[in-house]
Amino acid sequence: QAQLVESGGGVVQPERSLRLSCAASGFTFSSYGMHWVRQAPGKGLEWVAVTSYDGTRKHYGNSVMGRFTISRDNSKNTLYLQMNSLRPEDTAVYYCAKDRGASYFFYGMEVWGQGTTVIVSS
Amino acid sequence: DIQMTQSPSSLSASVGDRVTITCQASQDIRNYLNWYQHKPGKAPKLLMYDASILEGGVPSRFSGSGSGTDFTFTISSLQPEDFATYYCQQYDNLPLTFGGGTKVQIK
Repeated sequence: QAQLVESGGGVVQPERSLRLSCAASGFTFSSYGMHWVRQAPGKGLEWVAVTSYDGTRKHYGNSVMGRFTISRDNSKNTLYLQMNSLRPEDTAVYYCAKDRGASYFFYGMEVWGQGTTVIVSS
Repeated sequence: DIQMTQSPSSLSASVGDRVTITCQASQDIRNYLNWYQHKPGKAPKLLMYDASILEGGVPSRFSGSGSGTDFTFTISSLQPEDFATYYCQQYDNLPLTFGGGTKVQIK
């Protein structure tokens, strides 16, 4: 049974950096695209980024492009999100999620982690 | 970017009621639509993909329809465990985009 566990959240000052991790188990991690999705307090879900199964293709939401970097280590079954130049509006619960498909086309989020909270505040 | 307009943003209903949520895309997305259920403090859950195909283990009281730009999500008989927020999400184009959500509350 697929399981995803996020870590690395916390309180960080504006303009600083933070790296989130997502440990995967219960499925062949190296075969699936992986996403980050966030939910700001009182708001809906917002897609952040996706990486292909092999890490060669990466795509970002408009609000994080140029500041966030998604990456993966298939030898460690781990997904990452490097967040730079953080802003108060990046405050959210960040979820990692497994894509439903195993190709360069992204079908959306089939399995989700429980999330990790990031608070950007001085 | 494709805009997803979901309505209503909230509704109040009783156990046993039929509930319908609509989702409209700003351009043709074929049937490339997912529906999710999200409860506070929990991980979101994929209920349906390709607009109308139930994910494994999802009760048959949930159904979906539509293609192109207009989609419908229905709960035929609302159960206590169904009170949650529901989101549509398109995957025809990147960036992936969600509707604003529909919070289903107890009347």
